[in-house]
Parts: sequence; structure tokens; C-alpha cells
Amino acid sequence: AQSVTQLDSHVSVSEGTPVLLRCNYSSSYSPSLFWYVQHPNKGLQLLLKYTSAATLVKGINGFEAEFKKSETSFHLTKPSAHMSDAAEYFCVVTPLNTGFQKLVFGTGTRLLVSP
Amino acid sequence: DGGITQSPKYLFRKEGQNVTLSCEQNLNHDAMYWYRQDPGQGLRLIYYSQIVNDFQKGDIAEGYSVSREKKESFPLTVTSAQKNPTAFYLCASSATGLDNQPQHFGDGTRLSIL
Repeated sequence: AQSVTQLDSHVSVSEGTPVLLRCNYSSSYSPSLFWYVQHPNKGLQLLLKYTSAATLVKGINGFEAEFKKSETSFHLTKPSAHMSDAAEYFCVVTPLNTGFQKLVFGTGTRLLVSP
Repeated sequence: DGGITQSPKYLFRKEGQNVTLSCEQNLNHDAMYWYRQDPGQGLRLIYYSQIVNDFQKGDIAEGYSVSREKKESFPLTVTSAQKNPTAFYLCASSATGLDNQPQHFGDGTRLSIL
């Protein structure tokens, strides 16, 4: 079975400061991991994905995430927050190479960015 | 531009009424999905389809029905049996059902009870 825990329901940062959104996963199989972003009343947009290649994954808009198997973590970071980063972020896991892609979503972290 | 179109953006349902949410994609994707999003609960899978004329129940299929008569279209019907339908509904598609293909999402339909 797979599960995802997003450790913070809300994270507040100031514009220009670093962002850290934490995600821990549990998976019976080698996982694929994704981060998605959702702006209000919009669908989800893929930020980045990990599928057993490089453990440091670079995504869009300056975000990156590092897969740490020993810590079962896949935290999302950005060196400098922008006002437009304010949104909800979802960490998602699915088992790798097992056929159908059933995604398991975390409960989300709302990022607030103040001027 | 390729993408997923969901309509309507807002929908209201009366007691005892069935309503249908539309989802159309022009990405030539084989697999399509319906999710329900409630505050603080992330997304939950309602139904999915890996190929035309075939679909399977997800985790919360009760009170919902789907069809997949065309590759581009995957409508969701919220029936009167769904007692708590108020939610944000998201449709997604992927190139195949395999795990290394990310899912692409539409902008959602917000359903409310009158």
C-alpha cells in the first residue's frame, strides 16, 4: 500500500525567502513521486516528478525536490519565494512499474507568501 | 493548444436530480480519470478508464456513473444516490495508465446543492 503525509497544512513565508514544503511517503514498491500545484478554483499543474533516475529533481518555476530513500522523504524547495507561488501544493505517490497509475494524494499544503 | 476542458465551471443540483459533468481532452490520451476534491482531504479517485468502452471504479464510486464511448470524452453523472455531492470535481488524462506518465488536469467543476 502507498500513503503520503504532508507534514504542514499551511506554510507562511515572506517574498524572497526560501520555501520548504515537507512530504513523507510510504510505499510497498519503488515509488514514483510527483509534486503538483493548484491555484484557487483551478486544476492541478505538474511541478516535477521522480521516477528512479536522478534523486534531485528540478521542476518548473524554480522548484526542486530531493528523493531520500533512507528518510522516505520528497521535500519540495525553492530558493526564493515569489508572490505568484501562493497556492496549494500536493505531494503524490504511485508505485513504479506496476501497471496502472493509481495516484495517492497527500492532503495538501497551502503556501502563503507575504510582501 | 492541447488540453482538458471541463464544463460547466459551476453547477447546481436539486434534490433527486441527476447531473452530468463534461470532460473533453484533445491530447490523444488513452487514460482518463475523475477525482473528487473536498477541503482538507486531497483528491479521491471516483472512476477511471484506460481505453474506450472500458472503465473501472475507483475508491468512491458509489452514487456516480461514467461512460467512455469516445477517446476524447469521459462524462461523469452524479446521481441522486450520491447524498453528499457538494465538492470540486476534477477530470484528468494521461498518455497511458503507466506510472511514468504524469496526469494532466482540467480546471474543474464546482457542484453545489440548491
